[in-house]
Amino acid sequence: EGQLVESGGGLIQPGGSLRLSCAASGFSVSLNYMNWVRQAPGKGLEWVSVIYTAGDTYYADSVKGRFTISRDNSKNILYLQMNSLRAEDTAVYYCAREESPSDAFDVWGHGTMVTVSS
Amino acid sequence: SHVLTQPPSVSVAPGKTATITCAGNNIVISDVHWYQQRPGQAPVVVIYYDSDRPTGIPERFSGSNSGNTATLTISRVEAGDEADYYCQVRDSSSHQEVFGGGTKLTVL
Repeated sequence: EGQLVESGGGLIQPGGSLRLSCAASGFSVSLNYMNWVRQAPGKGLEWVSVIYTAGDTYYADSVKGRFTISRDNSKNILYLQMNSLRAEDTAVYYCAREESPSDAFDVWGHGTMVTVSS
Repeated sequence: SHVLTQPPSVSVAPGKTATITCAGNNIVISDVHWYQQRPGQAPVVVIYYDSDRPTGIPERFSGSNSGNTATLTISRVEAGDEADYYCQVRDSSSHQEVFGGGTKLTVL
């Protein structure tokens, strides 16, 4: 079925930047719709971004203009570049696979924690 | 964009049936997916496309979608079913995914 492993989280000051990585095994990130989903402490799931197989990218309104999703097909890694970070971006960030549009997210990583604080 | 409303909490005795709703305007025209999230773990899909069940998910889990409400039903509830449950749909016009606020299922 495949596996996803996130990395790159940590403590960052407001206004700073961070890049998250999501390494895939057992399937190709380029052949699937790949998503980032976050969960603030004690809160629910919030969808963040998606990159389609054709390379189209879409974002939640809350991160549009600040976050950039991308992938490296040769390394089979998904990325999330996060700029101008705010306290409200503090969350566990998950990457998740969506095989086709409107499919369920059938493979999830374990998540990586991002804390934005001074 | 879609707004999905779930009850914050549902409590049920072991062996009984739990019903978790997900309300959204004309949600019947959307494909609804349901996830189970245990504390400290990543979500796991338990129902996809309104009522399909992934391999490995017990038959006790079922789903339906009608009108403005999608429903996750868990029959013969067990202690291990205690978790947070989220519904999800895709907004095709905006290419954004939407999650409900989540429902905490407590097994009494």
